[in-house]
Amino acid sequence: NAGVMQNPRHLVRRRGQEARLRCSPMKGHSHVYWYRQLPEEGLKFMVYLQKENIIDESGMPKERFSAEFPKEGPSILRIQQVVRGDSAAYFCASSPRQGGAEAFFGQGTRLTVV
Amino acid sequence: KQEVTQIPAALSVPEGENLVLNCSFTDSAIYNLQWFRQDPGKGLTSLLLIQSSQREQTSGRLNASLDKSSGRSTLYIAASQPGDSATYLCAAFQGGSEKLVFGKGTKLTVNP
Repeated sequence: NAGVMQNPRHLVRRRGQEARLRCSPMKGHSHVYWYRQLPEEGLKFMVYLQKENIIDESGMPKERFSAEFPKEGPSILRIQQVVRGDSAAYFCASSPRQGGAEAFFGQGTRLTVV
Repeated sequence: KQEVTQIPAALSVPEGENLVLNCSFTDSAIYNLQWFRQDPGKGLTSLLLIQSSQREQTSGRLNASLDKSSGRSTLYIAASQPGDSATYLCAAFQGGSEKLVFGKGTKLTVNP
């Protein structure tokens, strides 16, 4: 049973470009979470999705950021018109159910905006 | 608003020593508390999950305790080894939501 798979592991984008980060949850997991880790800061919740639904996006910046988890395929975190402040490690986690089930994290995507 | 604090921010110990990492949280309405390990440039590895109804969990040389009334959790590492060197993160699964609230971590160095 493969773990949570994120790709790419490293992504470099120029200011103004778009970044697309992918996350495939563990097999059997239908709950996906995205977290961001800024340099020298702790991990911060961004968004919680179930298949085809955004359940909680209270941690997402209001502009330029969006997330989806389609019926088929991986979850996508999309950042439009990236700025230097978007440089961070973005982690995806999955769990099999709601209500505090154990969360399993991927290796992360390290985004660098130049 | 839930806040999670980890003390100390960094800890350096000689190999073989037993040690305790501390985690405190402000809101006791949690579903569970999870301890993770993060190696430099890597992802998070789940170490132990304590449900809100439990007092402790053990896995090998690791033991985690939870005291909701005082808003504290501890991670005890027995007979530390250089391979234990990493950043240890504590995260509270917030009641009424589906999110983990993380502390900033304790960076542990175990010296041979």
